[in-house]
Amino acid sequence: AQSVTQLGSHVSVSEGALVLLRCNYSSSVPPYLFWYVQYPNQGLQLLLKYTTGATLVKGINGFEAEFKKSETSFHLTKPSAHMSDAAEYFCAVSDQGTAGANSKLTFGKGITLSVRP
Amino acid sequence: DADVTQTPRNRITKTGKRIMLECSQTKGHDRMYWYRQDPGLGLRLIYYSFDVKDINKGEISDGYSVSRQAQAKFSLSLESAIPNQTALYFCATSDFHGPDTQYFGPGTRLTVL
Repeated sequence: AQSVTQLGSHVSVSEGALVLLRCNYSSSVPPYLFWYVQYPNQGLQLLLKYTTGATLVKGINGFEAEFKKSETSFHLTKPSAHMSDAAEYFCAVSDQGTAGANSKLTFGKGITLSVRP
Repeated sequence: DADVTQTPRNRITKTGKRIMLECSQTKGHDRMYWYRQDPGLGLRLIYYSFDVKDINKGEISDGYSVSRQAQAKFSLSLESAIPNQTALYFCATSDFHGPDTQYFGPGTRLTVL
């Protein structure tokens, strides 16, 4: 069974500062990994994903994440935070590394990002 | 128009009442999911369906049932609502041929008094 750990529930940064949101996963098969963002009063939308190939993945709004198999990590970063980045961020892992017929996602508990002016 | 819609968006009901939450999608996806979101717990899977004839329980299916009326419609029912079912409920869809990217509706905020 797969699992996702997102340490801490809240991260606060100043506008213009580096954003680092941590995600560690556990999976018995090569994982597909995802970051989703949830803005206030909205559903989740995909920020970026890793399937195969290049381990540094770029997403929307200047975010990127690096898959590190040796560390079982998929941390999300953005060089310079903007006020509009304030949201809740969820890391997720697929339970099958290939596009299997019965794959599902397991989500972490989420991290709320606050951006101070 | 939104690809994944949910109705109602907000609902307040009383303990013991039957409630149905509806989800429709125009993405043409085969797979549909129902999640609930609680503060500090993230998203937990209630039920999922990989096609019209396929229904599966997720990790927290007790107290819930679902119906897949068509490829585009997936409904979640609470037969007898209880206060600890107060939560934000999301429907999502994904493409059979894709690497599990899920597309979410805007959510239904349910309060059970």
